[in-house]
Amino acid sequence: DAGITQSPRHKVTETGTPVTLRCHQTENHRYMYWYRQDPGHGLRLIHYSYGVKDTDKGEVSDGYSVSRSKTEDFLLTLESATSSQTSVYFCAIRPAAGGYNEQFFGPGTRLTVL
Amino acid sequence: DAKTTQPPSMDCAEGRAANLPCNHSTISGNEYVYWYRQIHSQGPQYIIHGLKNNETNEMASLIITEDRKSSTLILPHATLRDTAVYYCIVISEYGNKLVFGAGTILRVKS
Repeated sequence: DAGITQSPRHKVTETGTPVTLRCHQTENHRYMYWYRQDPGHGLRLIHYSYGVKDTDKGEVSDGYSVSRSKTEDFLLTLESATSSQTSVYFCAIRPAAGGYNEQFFGPGTRLTVL
Repeated sequence: DAKTTQPPSMDCAEGRAANLPCNHSTISGNEYVYWYRQIHSQGPQYIIHGLKNNETNEMASLIITEDRKSSTLILPHATLRDTAVYYCIVISEYGNKLVFGAGTILRVKS
């Protein structure tokens, strides 16, 4: 158990509403990631963070923003949710820096946008 | 990072070794091979990684060919709980973004 929690675990929302997903870790690891997973696409990186207030885009960042104001929390915001953002969202942390890419994943958040 | 090619699915009998191949013919010298798996509806789980030597841990063995253009993940005694999607990922030494492909669906059957 790498001490990763995601909240909420399930959410149903309506098109056009903002949504924030939270990833929380207990072990002060530097790197945190947000992925989405859709049928036929595998996991795709949305955004990642390499420290407090240090974030960068992944391959599918449009329509998403992130914030990391403290080490333990990495927030993913859907500014105006669309049906195409219906997905399962996974958070991950990476304990070691430089040359070691073992990532630990959270349990996932299932988001449905109606 | 180099691309990888994996078969879409494989079957294995319970108790037998599962050998999952991965082709990464464009891998470069400082790129590692990582394996993850994802059991249904759970987050992916790290299995093993290697550069050029064969590696073994409590979960699996990783065999990398001498030219490093392909590798095989070996689960020595597959159980029903090993049924999952297995992902082979190539990433550079200082890369920090994993790129997941479609992976191989391994079905372990009794």
